[in-house]
Amino acid sequence: AQTVTQSQPEMSVQEAETVTLSCTYDTSENNYYLFWYKQPPSRQMILVIRQEAYKQQNATENRFSVNFQKAAKSFSLKISDSQLGDTAMYFCAFMKHATPNDMRFGAGTRLTVKP
Amino acid sequence: DSGVTQTPKHLITATGQRVTLRCSPRSGDLSVYWYQQSLDQGLQFLIQYYNGEERAKGNILERFSAQQFPDLHSELNLSSLELGDSALYFCASSSSERVGYNSPLHFGNGTRLTVT
Repeated sequence: AQTVTQSQPEMSVQEAETVTLSCTYDTSENNYYLFWYKQPPSRQMILVIRQEAYKQQNATENRFSVNFQKAAKSFSLKISDSQLGDTAMYFCAFMKHATPNDMRFGAGTRLTVKP
Repeated sequence: DSGVTQTPKHLITATGQRVTLRCSPRSGDLSVYWYQQSLDQGLQFLIQYYNGEERAKGNILERFSAQQFPDLHSELNLSSLELGDSALYFCASSSSERVGYNSPLHFGNGTRLTVT
């Protein structure tokens, strides 16, 4: 079974600084997808960034980027120039290529951006 | 706004009761997924429908059932409710049967169920 581990239950960062959230996963699959979702206090789940396992290039979406290390099964999220609106729970998620269901989520990291 | 609509936003009911949660997927999305988010279990996949047919089941209790209608909206029915069923229930949709890079999950705002 695939598991997703987010080892940092809580993190904080000063506004305008950079923070990295860690995520590791366990799988024997070669083809899969990885996602980061953000859940602000409004509780909506918002897709932040996504990565295909067979692409070595790290995905980037504006201030958000990932460091994907396939051999190490690591998928960390870097937030640059942190903003107060980045305060949220961040969930890492794993999805096998071959299945139509059962996206696995980590337990989440609560990020607080301080002014 | 993800385009996925869930109603109601909040629901308070008593143990033993039955409730129905409703979800309208994004326009054009054929797949609907239901997830339960509780404090101690995190996000748990319950069930998936694709174009009206059940495609996959996760950790869904027998007291729970779901369906997807011809207009693609979906309902999650929870019966014989217990205190432990209190949670945030999310609906998500995607454009294809399989979640992938080009068809990620888009979540609704959730329904907060409180069982007293």
